[in-house]
Amino acid sequence: DQQVKQNSPSLSVQEGRISILNCDYTNSMFDYFLWYKKYPAEGPTFLISISSIKDKNEDGRFTVFLNKSAKHLSLHIVPSQPGDSAVYFCAATLTGANNLFFGTGTRLTVIP
Amino acid sequence: NAGVMQNPRHLVRRRGQEARLRCSPMKGHSHVYWYRQLPEEGLKFMVYLQKENIIDESGMPKERFSAEFPKEGPSILRIQQVVRGDSAAYFCASSPGGSDNSPLHFGNGTRLTVT
Repeated sequence: DQQVKQNSPSLSVQEGRISILNCDYTNSMFDYFLWYKKYPAEGPTFLISISSIKDKNEDGRFTVFLNKSAKHLSLHIVPSQPGDSAVYFCAATLTGANNLFFGTGTRLTVIP
Repeated sequence: NAGVMQNPRHLVRRRGQEARLRCSPMKGHSHVYWYRQLPEEGLKFMVYLQKENIIDESGMPKERFSAEFPKEGPSILRIQQVVRGDSAAYFCASSPGGSDNSPLHFGNGTRLTVT
């Protein structure tokens, strides 16, 4: 039962343009959401998070938007850079829970 | 390097052998988590441990898999009598605890191949 879904396995974007990565979840109890970035042969690296009490969180070039009614979140990267090329995982959890539920990832390629 | 350390990076085992995966958490972190990533899938939670205690093993297969985090030394994920379906990347993560939403810090994983 995949509670967190990333329906786009891959995305290609030109350098300097905006990258938008999408994530949907099914469990309305989730109240904390994270994005992780993963390079080949490395572990996931925490990127940005958002609590369900907010609908937007921004950190430099990265912004996460949360739409609770649609059970949808998105990660915006602007401007995109070649070094952003990686697999991006969306994750969700409940405050106090012991585990994160991960999506299957979206491979972002930023074309120079 | 003060990050989460996992070894070995790559492990090859024949069917029926045992696999031992080690994880040293970040300095100051007392909470350890193990996740498994099968090919073309996301990471799936296996087990959450604190020193000398298993807190949540709801993601662990009921047989052949065990985990420990002793008072001294690294956390160990042990897989007995490995089968081909155990081939995956196994990631360890740690957190300081004390804050419910502190992000997990992941190691670079151990890639287990069962031949």
